[in-house]
Amino acid sequence: GAVVSQHPSRVICKSGTSVKIECRSLDFQATTMFWYRQFPKQSLMLMATSNEGSKATYEQGVEKDKFLINHASLTLSTLTVTSAHPEDSSFYICSARPWTGVGEAFFGQGTRLTVV
Amino acid sequence: SQELEQSPQSLIVQEGKNLTINCTSSKTLYGLYWYKQKYGEGLIFLMMLQKGGEEKSHEKITAKLDEKKQQSSLHITASQPSHAGIYLCGAVPFGNEKLTFGTGTRLTIIP
Repeated sequence: GAVVSQHPSRVICKSGTSVKIECRSLDFQATTMFWYRQFPKQSLMLMATSNEGSKATYEQGVEKDKFLINHASLTLSTLTVTSAHPEDSSFYICSARPWTGVGEAFFGQGTRLTVV
Repeated sequence: SQELEQSPQSLIVQEGKNLTINCTSSKTLYGLYWYKQKYGEGLIFLMMLQKGGEEKSHEKITAKLDEKKQQSSLHITASQPSHAGIYLCGAVPFGNEKLTFGTGTRLTIIP
């Protein structure tokens, strides 16, 4: 199956700093990628839809200035957590499909962010 | 927005027993997905259902989608320790590519 690579897998940062998470589709092009957040013992919550060459679409309640998304190419989307605080600590995971509409969505390995 | 409710929230099953996890949608589904996750790790794709009444099987796992395309069930036969994890149903609504997830079911297999 298609491969989505996410980096880093774990990151620890100090409060007030920014952290960038990369999501790459390794063997296909993706005009759309999705970013999710998962709190402990909870399901995945969709944060935003990353659109290549245009602005991301954020879900209700997600701060776009806090979570900056850039989809600069057909194989790379980045999520930057700006001015991170301990409450931003979470598991972040991206997904992409090599096709539009329905079909299997491939997920990255996820990034565990800890803000101290 | 798409609301997906899973039941039960958690399940403890003795090894070798059968079990069923349910996923109910507030709207008609365009595509229904089942994924498995070890907490803090990526998702493993299990199956996707699209047609009303569709049923798919892979090894000891069977997923069904009802005729109205609003309910799905995931059935595991003769459960094994390797089946333990978090099971997530996801759905794509009509006219939209966004995949959103249900509340999740945490499955524990005891020997």
